[in-house]
Amino acid sequence: KAGVTQTPRYLIKTRGQQVTLSCSPISGHRSVSWYQQTPGQGLQFLFEYFSETQRNKGNFPGRFSGRQFSNSRSEMNVSTLELGDSALYLCASSRRDSSSYNEQFFGPGTRLTVL
Amino acid sequence: GENVEQHPSTLSVQEGDSAVIKCTYSDSASNYFPWYKQELGKRPQLIIDIRSNVGEKKDQRIAVTLNKTAKHFSLHITETQPEDSAVYFCAAPKTGNQFYFGTGTSLTVIP
Repeated sequence: KAGVTQTPRYLIKTRGQQVTLSCSPISGHRSVSWYQQTPGQGLQFLFEYFSETQRNKGNFPGRFSGRQFSNSRSEMNVSTLELGDSALYLCASSRRDSSSYNEQFFGPGTRLTVL
Repeated sequence: GENVEQHPSTLSVQEGDSAVIKCTYSDSASNYFPWYKQELGKRPQLIIDIRSNVGEKKDQRIAVTLNKTAKHFSLHITETQPEDSAVYFCAAPKTGNQFYFGTGTSLTVIP
């Protein structure tokens, strides 16, 4: 079974620009979560999508948004980029059911650098 | 909200010794606790997890213990090897698949 994939792997943008990151979950997984990883803050939850609906949202400004398609692929968008948005953006997929937590499988991440 | 505190932030051990990493959580409703290993430049990978209906789980050289009363759980690695060197993260859930992660422990195993 293919793992979680993310594109692009590396991205360099300048302040004020916007960026779209993509995540393809493991086949059969309907939940995709997004995390921001920085040396100072560690792994911070951005949001989770399940069946094309945002189910949970972390404490990030409205510049961070996402969506999920019918094939469970997810995109994350960051508008009006700031220097502090430089980070590794990880997505994780899981089977997710209503009765219990399920293992999350992480993608390789997209390294975003904002200049 | 859920806070997960993880200690220590760095840990160096001699090859063959044991390593212990501890995490505490605040939400008493949390009932699933995964541990992830992240090698340099790679994605986090689940190495072991525990659900709240058990107090301990072991997988070869790795074990996790859970104390629900005290709201803490620990990762134990025995007979450490250089390939165990990595950053380890604990996590606890808030709702659904929203997880709070600890700040990570950088483990170095000295040959």
